[in-house]
Amino acid sequence: KAGVTQTPRYLIKTRGQQVTLSCSPISGHRSVSWYQQTPGQGLQFLFEYFSETQRNKGNFPGRFSGRQFSNSRSEMNVSTLELGDSALYLCASSLAGTTPGGEQFFGPGTRLTVL
Amino acid sequence: GENVEQHPSTLSVQEGDSAVIKCTYSDSASNYFPWYKQELGKRPQLIIDIRSNVGEKKDQRIAVTLNKTAKHFSLHITETQPEDSAVYFCAARISGNTPLVFGKGTRLSVIA
Repeated sequence: KAGVTQTPRYLIKTRGQQVTLSCSPISGHRSVSWYQQTPGQGLQFLFEYFSETQRNKGNFPGRFSGRQFSNSRSEMNVSTLELGDSALYLCASSLAGTTPGGEQFFGPGTRLTVL
Repeated sequence: GENVEQHPSTLSVQEGDSAVIKCTYSDSASNYFPWYKQELGKRPQLIIDIRSNVGEKKDQRIAVTLNKTAKHFSLHITETQPEDSAVYFCAARISGNTPLVFGKGTRLSVIA
């Protein structure tokens, strides 16, 4: 079974621009979560999508948004980029459900650099 | 919401020694506690997890213990090897409908 994939792997943007990142989950997984990883801050939760609906949202400004398509693929968008948005953006997929013990499988991440 | 604190942030051990990483969580309703390992330049990968109805779980050189009363859980790595060098993240979750909340990570260095 193919793993979680993310595109692009690297991205360089300038302040004020917007960016769209893509995540393809493992086949059959309906939940996709997005995280921002920066040195010293660990994995900060952005949002989670399940069956095309945002199920959970972290404490990030409205410039960060996302969506999920009927095939479970997900995109996240960051508008009006700031220097502080430079980070590794990871997505993770899981079968999900109501039991808490569903393993999350991470993608390789998209390294975003804002100049 | 849930908050997870992880200590220490960095840990250096000699090869063959044991390493212990500790995490505390705030929400007593949390009942799933995974540990992820992230090697340099790679994605985080699950190495072990424990549910709240279990106090300890082992998998070869790795073990996790859970103290629900104190709301803390720990990762124990015995007979450390250089390939154990990585960043380790603990996490906690209440249910499948709630987010997995991560600690800030521990950078483990195993010195040969």
